[in-house]
Amino acid sequence: DAGVIQSPRHEVTEMGQEVTLRCKPISGHNSLFWYRQTMMRGLELLIYFNNNVPIDDSGMPEDRFSAKMPNASFSTLKIQPSEPRDSAVYFCASNGGFRGYTFGSGTRLTVV
Amino acid sequence: AQSVTQLGSHVSVSEGALVLLRCNYSSSVPPYLFWYVQYPNQGLQLLLKYTTGATLVKGINGFEAEFKKSETSFHLTKPSAHMSDAAEYFCAVSKGGTGFQKLVFGTGTRLLVSP
Repeated sequence: DAGVIQSPRHEVTEMGQEVTLRCKPISGHNSLFWYRQTMMRGLELLIYFNNNVPIDDSGMPEDRFSAKMPNASFSTLKIQPSEPRDSAVYFCASNGGFRGYTFGSGTRLTVV
Repeated sequence: AQSVTQLGSHVSVSEGALVLLRCNYSSSVPPYLFWYVQYPNQGLQLLLKYTTGATLVKGINGFEAEFKKSETSFHLTKPSAHMSDAAEYFCAVSKGGTGFQKLVFGTGTRLLVSP
């Protein structure tokens, strides 16, 4: 079991550029979550999917943020255009029942 | 709706001392409760969880937590702190039962361990 795999681990981009974060959940897990972590706001749930369907995206901060899950093994979180205040660590987590979430190692995004 | 409150954003202990991290929850239905640990520059790792049954649950690295319904608490303890326990700890709650459930996290408590 390779765990939840996120890429890239680090991303530095210029303001206004498009950023795409990727996540591969654990095989067989049917729920996937995107979180953002900052010093100021802690862990924020952005969006979650169940069986590839978005259930609740009320945590997505703005229309600049979008997420997709085209199949059970892949999800993306896109920010377009990016802004400096989007700088954070973005975590993906998956859950296959009630054993608790498994988190990826995160993507540290810096927008300059 | 579910929520958790973690008392104390920072807790400092000496190596060998008791660790106590506090978590109180709010839930309109029987909850499932979790503690996660985050080491620097890493993701969150599950320490332990309570779903049903025995209210004292044991986790990894010598940690344990007790579910107290009357106090709506799920405090995390460890008898003797190690330097390697220095990390951030998150309490989380969800609705109980089978099927898909959203996990709600507290704001975290940073544990500092001094020699």
